[in-house]
Amino acid sequence: GESVGLHLPTLSVQEGDNSIINCAYSNSASDYFIWYKQESGKGPQFIIDIRSNMDKRQGQRVTVLLNKTVKHLSLQIAATQPGDSAVYFCAENLDHGSSNTGKLIFGQGTTLQVKP
Amino acid sequence: NAGVMQNPRHLVRRRGQEARLRCSPMKGHSHVYWYRQLPEEGLKFMVYLQKENIIDESGMPKERFSAEFPKEGPSILRIQQVVRGDSAAYFCASSPEAGGNYGYTFGSGTRLTVV
Repeated sequence: GESVGLHLPTLSVQEGDNSIINCAYSNSASDYFIWYKQESGKGPQFIIDIRSNMDKRQGQRVTVLLNKTVKHLSLQIAATQPGDSAVYFCAENLDHGSSNTGKLIFGQGTTLQVKP
Repeated sequence: NAGVMQNPRHLVRRRGQEARLRCSPMKGHSHVYWYRQLPEEGLKFMVYLQKENIIDESGMPKERFSAEFPKEGPSILRIQQVVRGDSAAYFCASSPEAGGNYGYTFGSGTRLTVV
């Protein structure tokens, strides 16, 4: 089916270490992927995105990797800080060409816990 | 430049009552999306609206749920005769263009509790 899933429900890392959060998607027609961060009691906050014609994109302390062969997406956070503690969601947008409505399919989320 | 504004932040309703959730998109955004998030789960698409039009309601339950985005005023998600299973966080997002790759911004959500 069309789904986006995350491998690990909770990831615990030491402050200063790098974090890697994984995501598997099943729809090869997806052309755009987004990582969101959601803190308790708040709405999803955009972190970084990547289009299907790329395999890597870097932001400030974050990198997204896309492997279309195995339909895998990952978010890497460098030098993880306590403020990074949150739930992280990947989301995909299916390419419907001119009728693309922007509907996103979200994964279930990974909780990142940063230990001081 | 205010972000996407949702109100109320918290809403408690008894079973059988009506819930009305409001969403004011960002200035200049004419595309509104509603998502529902159950505890410990990801967000699930409900409906996509443009001014005065419902474009995609494929995620809306067939009964009791409706949405509108009038020419003037906020978008409204209306749930009639609420049941316990409607308890969730409801998020609204807005975008300046159609398609999820054009600056999608989420509000802080309305947390509905049905007692």
